[in-house]
Amino acid sequence: AQKITQTQPGMFVQEKEAVTLDCTYDTSDQSYGLFWYKQPSSGEMIFLIYQGSYDEQNATEGRYSLNFQKARKSANLVISASQLGDSAMYFCAMREGSRVYGGSQGNLIFGKGTKLSVKP
Amino acid sequence: NAGVTQTPKFQVLKTGQSMTLQCAQDMNHEYMSWYRQDPGMGLRLIHYSVGAGITDQGEVPNGYNVSRSTTEDFPLRLLSAAPSQTSVYFCASRATGSGTEAFFGQGTRLTVV
Repeated sequence: AQKITQTQPGMFVQEKEAVTLDCTYDTSDQSYGLFWYKQPSSGEMIFLIYQGSYDEQNATEGRYSLNFQKARKSANLVISASQLGDSAMYFCAMREGSRVYGGSQGNLIFGKGTKLSVKP
Repeated sequence: NAGVTQTPKFQVLKTGQSMTLQCAQDMNHEYMSWYRQDPGMGLRLIHYSVGAGITDQGEVPNGYNVSRSTTEDFPLRLLSAAPSQTSVYFCASRATGSGTEAFFGQGTRLTVV
């Protein structure tokens, strides 16, 4: 079973509008972390936002916010006021604790990504 | 700030050839990892290391070797290249701690013909 599911292969959004990128995850751990990365057409991986499983408030970073619904195991990324430069692939990722090396040494597991296109 | 440096950026290999992808980080991170990215597949973990002298397999380790003799360097070796190894490879590093993000290199685009 997939640990990270991103159900939207591609999405379009009008410039200046908000958009939500979906991410659901599967884990039996109590302690885990959720990450979002952006990959523009140039190929680099850019960290956007992090949410810890024990964080009670949704994470925010500028125009990015993470809508964390723990009971539903979802961690959707919300981008407000979309810009043309937001056109990119977006990856959701999860880090569980490592059963071999300890709680903070877990690996990052990625979803398959969502390609966001912002229309002028 | 160099961050994570990967070399080369592009490489074409013939089937059966071997090569090493280099990865170096200057942030004193204990944890380093290698991913491959294929269309529609996201990033899949090949190998990782939690510190010098310690390496372990990820999701897709077959055909690849790694070693970690220093904190800074984590090379990935392709033993006998196959067309199925055509991919974009990313090296990443991060500090110890649950909330620390991974920093990625620029990627290596490898084509095996």
